[in-house]
Amino acid sequence: AQSVTQLDSQVPVFEEAPVELRCNYSSSVSVYLFWYVQYPNQGLQLLLKYLSGSTLVESINGFEAEFNKSQTSFHLRKPSVHISDTAEYFCAVRVNTGFQKLVFGTGTRLLVSP
Amino acid sequence: DAGITQSPRYKITETGRQVTLMCHQTWSHSYMFWYRQDLGHGLRLIYYSAAADITDKGEVPDGYVVSRSKTENFPLTLESATRSQTSVYFCASSVGDRPFHGYTFGSGTRLTVV
Repeated sequence: AQSVTQLDSQVPVFEEAPVELRCNYSSSVSVYLFWYVQYPNQGLQLLLKYLSGSTLVESINGFEAEFNKSQTSFHLRKPSVHISDTAEYFCAVRVNTGFQKLVFGTGTRLLVSP
Repeated sequence: DAGITQSPRYKITETGRQVTLMCHQTWSHSYMFWYRQDLGHGLRLIYYSAAADITDKGEVPDGYVVSRSKTENFPLTLESATRSQTSVYFCASSVGDRPFHGYTFGSGTRLTVV
């Protein structure tokens, strides 16, 4: 069965600094990878996804993630964060065999301070 | 309004009581899911449904019951609530079972069992 590891439960950062949220997955078959964001008191929203093709994927609000098959990673990065990026970020994986549900990591809380 | 709606947003109940959390979606999505979110565990799948009258267990189904008599509704019932079921519950839907069919999440129900 596949699994997702987000080692950092919380990442504090100052506004306009770069940030990287780490995600590693485990699977014996090919995978699809996702990052979801949860703002306070809201549900999860899809931030970006890797299905195939280019290993670097981008979101509309400046985040990017790179699929690294050899390191089984899908780290999320942003070169300059804003206060409004404060949220919980979840990495998730689905395998490429039949119908498989999304499996989520434990989440990383990004705290951006002025 | 179109979308996925969960009710109630907040619920306090006593140990041993039966409580039902409601989920309604207006897109006629085939797939619907119930997750619970707990600190340190991320989101864990309780039950899912591929269509009306088709349901299946997820990762943590014990103590929960679901039904899906209509495509648009997917209620989750705690038959005899326990304190360990204190959590935030999220309903999600998806139009299909392909990875590019993203999940859309409701705003969640915060359940406290006292």
